[in-house]
Amino acid sequence: GAVVSQHPSRVICKSGTSVKIECRSLDFQATTMFWYRQFPKQSLMLMATSNEGSKATYEQGVEKDKFLINHASLTLSTLTVTSAHPEDSSFYICSARQGNNEKLFFGSGTQLSVL
Amino acid sequence: QKEVEQNSGPLSVPEGAIASLNCTYSDRGSQSFFWYRQYSGKSPELIMFIYSNGDKEDGRFTAQLNKASQYVSLLIRDSQPSDSATYLCAVNERGGGNKLTFGTGTQLKVEL
Repeated sequence: GAVVSQHPSRVICKSGTSVKIECRSLDFQATTMFWYRQFPKQSLMLMATSNEGSKATYEQGVEKDKFLINHASLTLSTLTVTSAHPEDSSFYICSARQGNNEKLFFGSGTQLSVL
Repeated sequence: QKEVEQNSGPLSVPEGAIASLNCTYSDRGSQSFFWYRQYSGKSPELIMFIYSNGDKEDGRFTAQLNKASQYVSLLIRDSQPSDSATYLCAVNERGGGNKLTFGTGTQLKVEL
């Protein structure tokens, strides 16, 4: 299957700092990437859809100025959590779609802990 | 609001038994259905996908879809301890641009 790489796997930061998470499709071009957030024992909640070369589409209730998404190339999307607060602590997961294939391939996830 | 419902479990089965995981969805127009396995602290891994009514088999896994009843299930034969994980049902909305709606997952425990 397609490989999606996500870094870093774990981040611990102080409140008020910004954190950038990278998501790369290693062996295919991903025109669309998705960013999810998952709290403990809960399901994945879609935050935004990232399209290469255009602005991301955010789900209702997700602050676009707080969660900055950049999809500058067909293989890289980044999520920046700006001015992180403890309530932003969560497991963030990216996924990518390979061409017109409906299947999504997930990155390994980033556990963010804001102190 | 489109919903995907799963029993959170845990579902406990003995090693070698058949594990049956169930999922219902609210959007009758949904067209694609996926089962993901997620180990604790890890990201989801695609196990099966199904588009048409009926059964689809892949090794020890069988996905079953009944669109009339808005029901999709996953059967795991000869369950192994390594199958212990949370299984997420995901549904692709009609016209949703390939956005998946996930259920909350069912935790499966395969006991020795």
